[in-house]
Amino acid sequence: EVQLLQSGGGLVQPGGSLRLSCEASGFTFSGVALSWVRQAPGQGLEWVSSISGGSGRGSINVFYANSVKGRVTISRDNSKNTLNLQLNSLRVEDTAVYYCAKALRSYSPLDYWGQGTLVTVSS
Amino acid sequence: QSVLTQPPSASGTPGQRVTISCSGRSSNIGDNSVNWYQQFPGTAPKLLIYSDNQRPSGVPDRVSGSKSGTSASLAISGLQSDDEADYYCSAWDDRLNGVVFGGGTKLIVL
Repeated sequence: EVQLLQSGGGLVQPGGSLRLSCEASGFTFSGVALSWVRQAPGQGLEWVSSISGGSGRGSINVFYANSVKGRVTISRDNSKNTLNLQLNSLRVEDTAVYYCAKALRSYSPLDYWGQGTLVTVSS
Repeated sequence: QSVLTQPPSASGTPGQRVTISCSGRSSNIGDNSVNWYQQFPGTAPKLLIYSDNQRPSGVPDRVSGSKSGTSASLAISGLQSDDEADYYCSAWDDRLNGVVFGGGTKLIVL
């Protein structure tokens, strides 16, 4: 059974940092592309970032939404079946539930999702 | 402002057929597969349709998807109260190099 178990999140002040993690099981982690999608309170889904399957810096591709580019870093640890999202220079508008998700093929569609974790940016 | 355009709401009575539209451009829907997600309040989205018209295991055949040019549609026939949820279309965008979503459509079963 595919499972994506998220951790991290919480309350942080504007300008602060936070690290989200997503531990996967039930599939061959290293070969699958993974993504982060967020949802602000009462709003729709917004893609944040994707990372290709594979291992080694030379063979991995990463993509970021313009809204977070330069402030966010996606990474994966295939030895621990874990996906990470480092959030820096957080803004009030980054407040959202963040979901990790695995791709069925290439980077889309996203066929399994984590339970979501709330990030609140507030002073 | 979402890259893909959906109506904010749709409605129907039990047993009816409803459709939800999704409009994009050549860099997303025109050149890539469209996917649809269903989301209930407080829960993670669930993949409902992928590759324009394919149903994942467990999704009933009264749910269908179609695509023509830069537009796509989700259809649900034999509407049930359990179908009341938010629905999102999505595709990869070659110009933005990322996944794009529609703004979501709230389906109301009257």
